[in-house]
Amino acid sequence: SAVISQKPSRDICQRGTSLTIQCQVDSQVTMMFWYRQQPGQSLTLIATANQGSEATYESGFVIDKFPISRPNLTFSTLTVSNMSPEDSSIYLCSVVGGRVLNTGELFFGEGSRLTVL
Amino acid sequence: AQSVAQPEDQVNVAEGNPLTVKCTYSVSGNPYLFWYVQYPNRGLQFLLKYITGDNLVKGSYGFEAEFNKSQTSFHLKKPSALVSDSALYFCAVRDASNFGNEKLTFGTGTRLTIIP
Repeated sequence: SAVISQKPSRDICQRGTSLTIQCQVDSQVTMMFWYRQQPGQSLTLIATANQGSEATYESGFVIDKFPISRPNLTFSTLTVSNMSPEDSSIYLCSVVGGRVLNTGELFFGEGSRLTVL
Repeated sequence: AQSVAQPEDQVNVAEGNPLTVKCTYSVSGNPYLFWYVQYPNRGLQFLLKYITGDNLVKGSYGFEAEFNKSQTSFHLKKPSALVSDSALYFCAVRDASNFGNEKLTFGTGTRLTIIP
């Protein structure tokens, strides 16, 4: 299994500001995924971050709002830009375990709980 | 397209009784199916998965799940519930034919409460 560390674990932010979430994995991984879990909701995939290429965003998410960096095989950041109260969510970093990407389960970090006032 | 349905938002079970958390799925090809658990203020923890082979898969903490292709279901079960099983449970699916796209689609979650 992979050990994933996320920072910050929680934060309270002001409307209009931006916050960068860091995700560190204890092993090299090809793909990293960023999910959002809004209060009382399920998980929604924001984007897939591959090392050395642009992130791939899901429908409804754009790079200007959620820029992602992937400088190496163990680290990624997600920035939530120009925040509004609707961005209050838990943001989760995840990676696929095992040697076969398609059949491997996802391992998740503890999440970053953002509250936007 | 792939989707997951968890028809019950809330399931209450008395401690010691068997529990079932329901999940149905829809994929174009063959499914890869997963169950996750989320405790309060924590990330998701992997419980078990079905890829191929035996329809009954066993996972962590005494949980098991049965894959039923004809009913497109993957219900989570445990013979005897513990109070510590109280948590939020998510079913998830990936289409096996989507090579190069490891996107996992999650259900809306079922809150399981075990009553002492």
